[in-house]
Amino acid sequence: AQSVTQLGSHVSVSEGALVLLRCNYSSSVPPYLFWYVQYPNQGLQLLLKYTTGATLVKGINGFEAEFKKSETSFHLTKPSAHMSDAAEYFCAVSDGTNAGKSTFGDGTTLTVKP
Amino acid sequence: DAGVIQSPRHEVTEMGQEVTLRCKPISGHNSLFWYRQTMMRGLELLIYFNNNVPIDDSGMPEDRFSAKMPNASFSTLKIQPSEPRDSAVYFCASSFGQGRSGNQPQHFGDGTRLSIL
Repeated sequence: AQSVTQLGSHVSVSEGALVLLRCNYSSSVPPYLFWYVQYPNQGLQLLLKYTTGATLVKGINGFEAEFKKSETSFHLTKPSAHMSDAAEYFCAVSDGTNAGKSTFGDGTTLTVKP
Repeated sequence: DAGVIQSPRHEVTEMGQEVTLRCKPISGHNSLFWYRQTMMRGLELLIYFNNNVPIDDSGMPEDRFSAKMPNASFSTLKIQPSEPRDSAVYFCASSFGQGRSGNQPQHFGDGTRLSIL
C-alpha cells in the first residue's frame, strides 16, 4: 500500500526566500512520485515527477525536488519565492499499476508575503 | 491540445434533486478518475476506470452516488437524491498508462463546484 505525508499544512515565506515543502512517502513497490500545484478555482497541475534515474528532478516555474530513498522523502524546493507561487501543493505517489492510481497527501498551502 | 473538460462548471440545486456531472478525458488516455474536494476532507478519490471498466469504487460515499463510462471519451458521475453534505468541488482526471507502469501523471479538469441547498 502507498501513503504520503506532507509535513505542515501551511507554509509562509517572504518573497525572494527559499521555499521548502516536505513530503514523505511509503510504498510497497518502487515509487513513482509527483508534485502538483492547485491555484484557486482550478484543478491540479503537474509540477514535476520522479520515475527512475536522476534523483534531482526539475519542474516548471523553477521548482525542483530530490528523491531520497534512504529517507523516503521527496521534498519540493524553489530558491526564490515569487508572489505567483502562492497556491496549494500536493505530493502524490503512484501505485505502479497500469491504471495509474495515485495516493495524494493532504496538501500544503503556500503563502508568499511581500 | 484540449485538456480534461468538465461540465457544468457550477451547479446549484435543491436537496433531493438528481445531479449529473460530466467529464471528457484527454483523447488517448485510458484511465479516468473522479475526485471530491472539500475543506474538511481534502481531496478524496471516489472511483476510477481503466479502459472504461470501473476498477475501484470503494471511495463512493453512498449508494446515492453512481458513475459510468460508456466509452473512452465520456464519463458521468450522478448523485440521486442529492443532499447538502454533497456540496463540494468534483474533479475529473485522466491519464495514460501502458503496461505495469503507472508513471504517467494525472491531468485534471477545472472541476464542477456543486452546491446543494
